[in-house]
Amino acid sequence: QKEVEQNSGPLSVPEGAIASLNCTYSDRGSQSFFWYRQYSGKSPELIMFIYSNGDKEDGRFTAQLNKASQYVSLLIRDSQPSDSATYLCAVYNQGGKLIFGQGTELSVKP
Amino acid sequence: GAVVSQHPSRVICKSGTSVKIECRSLDFQATTMFWYRQFPKKSLMLMATSNEGSKATYEQGVEKDKFLINHASLTLSTLTVTSAHPEDSSFYICSARDEGQGYGYTFGSGTRLTVV
Repeated sequence: QKEVEQNSGPLSVPEGAIASLNCTYSDRGSQSFFWYRQYSGKSPELIMFIYSNGDKEDGRFTAQLNKASQYVSLLIRDSQPSDSATYLCAVYNQGGKLIFGQGTELSVKP
Repeated sequence: GAVVSQHPSRVICKSGTSVKIECRSLDFQATTMFWYRQFPKKSLMLMATSNEGSKATYEQGVEKDKFLINHASLTLSTLTVTSAHPEDSSFYICSARDEGQGYGYTFGSGTRLTVV
């Protein structure tokens, strides 16, 4: 079992819709969770982090964490073509290393 | 947030030569930096943890003699790919922890290495 798993996609949504990206992790002791956005040919940029169960909102982005289910998600409201990118979920494992999922490619169609 | 500068952004080298990639923390001191490698359409794979003033810690399967890491100061870590071969062609990215971002990693801009 991979430490961090995401659907590779591609996930295609129309402009203005809600994009929902999901991630599961295997280390039950993990405490810190991150979402990165990576445009093609570029390095990842951090868009959100979450530590506590529940929702955390930042503008059009909402991160959701459920530690009991070992599940973290990212919702993007009012999706824009500029949101088209690969979204990487990352989790600190108990060894103190930041482990990345394989990423979900999102395509927002005008 | 923290800024990590990496260069060169692209490098093409001949097989058998060595390439050095630099990673600098611009507005903070980074006692630890992390080197990742990414193949097309693949995730980031941690190669090694660079520790200022001490030896780097390599992940399983990463050849320490091939990927030389030096972290001589609190703001500079370097990765040298020695005797490069075409299979070493990849996107190499350095990063450092950013306290202002929940201790997530801030990444450099990456180096696209092509070995011909």
